[in-house]
Amino acid sequence: AQKVTQAQTEISVVEKEDVTLDCVYETRDTTYYLFWYKQPPSGELVFLIRRNSFDEQNEISGRYSWNFQKSTSSFNFTITASQVVDSAVYFCALRDQYLNNAGNMLTFGGGTRLMVKP
Amino acid sequence: AAGVIQSPRHLIKEKRETATLKCYPIPRHDTVYWYQQGPGQDPQFLISFYEKMQSDKGSIPDRFSAQQFSDYHSELNMSSLELGDSALYFCASSQTSGGITDTQYFGPGTRLTVL
Repeated sequence: AQKVTQAQTEISVVEKEDVTLDCVYETRDTTYYLFWYKQPPSGELVFLIRRNSFDEQNEISGRYSWNFQKSTSSFNFTITASQVVDSAVYFCALRDQYLNNAGNMLTFGGGTRLMVKP
Repeated sequence: AAGVIQSPRHLIKEKRETATLKCYPIPRHDTVYWYQQGPGQDPQFLISFYEKMQSDKGSIPDRFSAQQFSDYHSELNMSSLELGDSALYFCASSQTSGGITDTQYFGPGTRLTVL
C-alpha cells in the first residue's frame, strides 16, 4: 500500500523567510510519480510539480525548489523568500506511473498549512 | 489553456435527497478521477474512468455511482445523501498514452452541503 506523510501540519513564517515542507512516502512500486499541489484559501488544487522516480535531480522554479531523495524516500519542497500569497495548504502526493488494475489514483499526504505573515 | 470544468460549484441538499455533479475534462484528456475532500482533510480518491470504462475504485459509498460518457465528461450521482457527505468534490483529468497516465489536473471543485 502507498502512504504519504507530511509531518508538519502547520507552519507559520514571516514574509521573506525561507521555508521547507517535508514529505516522506512509502511504496512497493519501482516506478512512480511524486507530486506537489497547492490549495489556496479559494479551495482549488493547483499542480506545482511532478517527479518521476527515475529522476533524482533537484529542480528549481523561481522561488520554489524540490529535493527528491530516493534513499530516504523524501520529496521536500522549499520556498525561498516566502510571500503572503504563498499562504495555502500544500499537499504531497504519490501515484503509480502505469494505468493498471492496481489503480493510478493519487495518494495524498495530510497536507501542510503554510501561513506567511507580513 | 482550457481547464477542468465542474458544475455546479456549490450545491445545497437536504438529507436523503439526490445530487448529480458534472465534470468536463480538459480537451483530449481521456481519464477522469473523482475525489472527496472533507473539512481539514486531504482529498480521498473515489473512482476513476479511462476511455469510458471504470479503471479504479476507491472508498466510494454504494450510494454513489459515476460514469464517463462518449464525450468524456463524467457525472457523479449521489443518492440518499447524509450529513457526512458534505465535502468538496474534485474532478481531475489526465491523458493516458501507452499505458502511462500523465499529470492529473484538478477542477475548481463542487462544494456540497447536506442539511
